[in-house]
Amino acid sequence: NAGVTQTPKFQVLKTGQSMTLQCAQDMNHNSMYWYRQDPGMGLRLIYYSASEGTTDKGEVPNGYNVSRLNKREFSLRLESAAPSQTSVYFCASSVNRGGNEKLFFGSGTQLSVL
Amino acid sequence: LAKTTQPISMDSYEGQEVNITCSHNNIATNDYITWYQQFPSQGPRFIIQGYKTKVTNEVASLFIPADRKSSTLSLPRVSLSDTAVYYCLVGFKAGTALIFGKGTTLSVSS
Repeated sequence: NAGVTQTPKFQVLKTGQSMTLQCAQDMNHNSMYWYRQDPGMGLRLIYYSASEGTTDKGEVPNGYNVSRLNKREFSLRLESAAPSQTSVYFCASSVNRGGNEKLFFGSGTQLSVL
Repeated sequence: LAKTTQPISMDSYEGQEVNITCSHNNIATNDYITWYQQFPSQGPRFIIQGYKTKVTNEVASLFIPADRKSSTLSLPRVSLSDTAVYYCLVGFKAGTALIFGKGTTLSVSS
């Protein structure tokens, strides 16, 4: 039982390049989330998905796209990377339990855009 | 998600008990109170959750008064490894936007 797995762990991009961050969970969770965290700052929600086939914008969606490929996988795509997107990206998942939900996080992807 | 207020930072020494209080005046009847811990360069991890009175696990205790308008996370005998950011979240429902606040940065010194 791996929990939430993110790949890659590290990535360096040049401005304008594109890439996709992968996230998969093996806990049969309905909801999945993408956050970014800049150095010394708090977590900011990029996109989330309540269930397979649905996605919603969070606090900072500009410059990103997401795909909820199936119940297990939720990917985050940067179409044209910018230095302002240098950050650590965390994926998380949760199951609907009617109130006492818990959020489980992956170990993060450290992205640098030069 | 209920609005919460917690101290921005706290300092402690090894071996002391640390209590972090979170205010949540507009907590709803069905809301649970959940605390997460985040170490540098790691994702937050769940540490404790409660609805009322007291909850204790191997990591911490959570005290919730009868009116549930606040809660206190208690860390017994902290060590240097407890240095982290602690987030209080109230009323999270899966499938909705979960916005984190700034949390409380706990610094433990020797």
